[in-house]
Amino acid sequence: GDSVTQMEGPVTLSEEAFLTINCTYTATGYPSLFWYVQYPGEGLQLLLKATKADDKGSNKGFEATYRKETTSFHLEKGSVQVSDSAVYFCALSRPEYGNKLVFGAGTILRVKS
Amino acid sequence: GAGVSQSPSNKVTEKGKDVELRCDPISGHTALYWYRQRLGQGLEFLIYFQGNSAPDKSGLPSDRFSAERTGESVSTLTIQRTQQEDSAVYLCASSPRTGGQETQYFGPGTRLLVL
Repeated sequence: GDSVTQMEGPVTLSEEAFLTINCTYTATGYPSLFWYVQYPGEGLQLLLKATKADDKGSNKGFEATYRKETTSFHLEKGSVQVSDSAVYFCALSRPEYGNKLVFGAGTILRVKS
Repeated sequence: GAGVSQSPSNKVTEKGKDVELRCDPISGHTALYWYRQRLGQGLEFLIYFQGNSAPDKSGLPSDRFSAERTGESVSTLTIQRTQQEDSAVYLCASSPRTGGQETQYFGPGTRLLVL
């Protein structure tokens, strides 16, 4: 079945450091790919998405590119802030399966000032 | 406008008791999903509803779990004879429809603890 694997955390960075959180997936066909974020004490919210190969999703300085050849959707940000501290989830969905989301285990990001 | 709401926000119950969790989706959203997040793990799909179609129950872990939805509004997830392994955060999400790549909007979750 479909699955998502993302790098284990926690990831601890200093403010203004470069961030990469790796995500790879296993799925047949052409899934859509997502990054969701869960800030402390808040609900899960969509950060960015990409629906086809070579698409780049971006939001709040974060970017991820849908790479079908490597089945990857790595999350990057050039300069992290303390406010980016959160749990990040990579996920996929396919419309033929009702768009139910298949999530990775989540990566905790901690940014120190 | 109002987002997805869930109640209760926290529930502590004894092993063997039944619990009922409620989700109010965003008005007008025809698709509704339930997920479970156990400690230290990712979210697992449980069930989804799309309009008046038969629900997709493929993620329900056992026959102790069931869910209902009234039209395109409130949904309840019921867990019968709760077990300690049912302890988790139960999240509900809604989206305008399932055709295409609609964003799912999540509620704050119900944190269930089974003693």
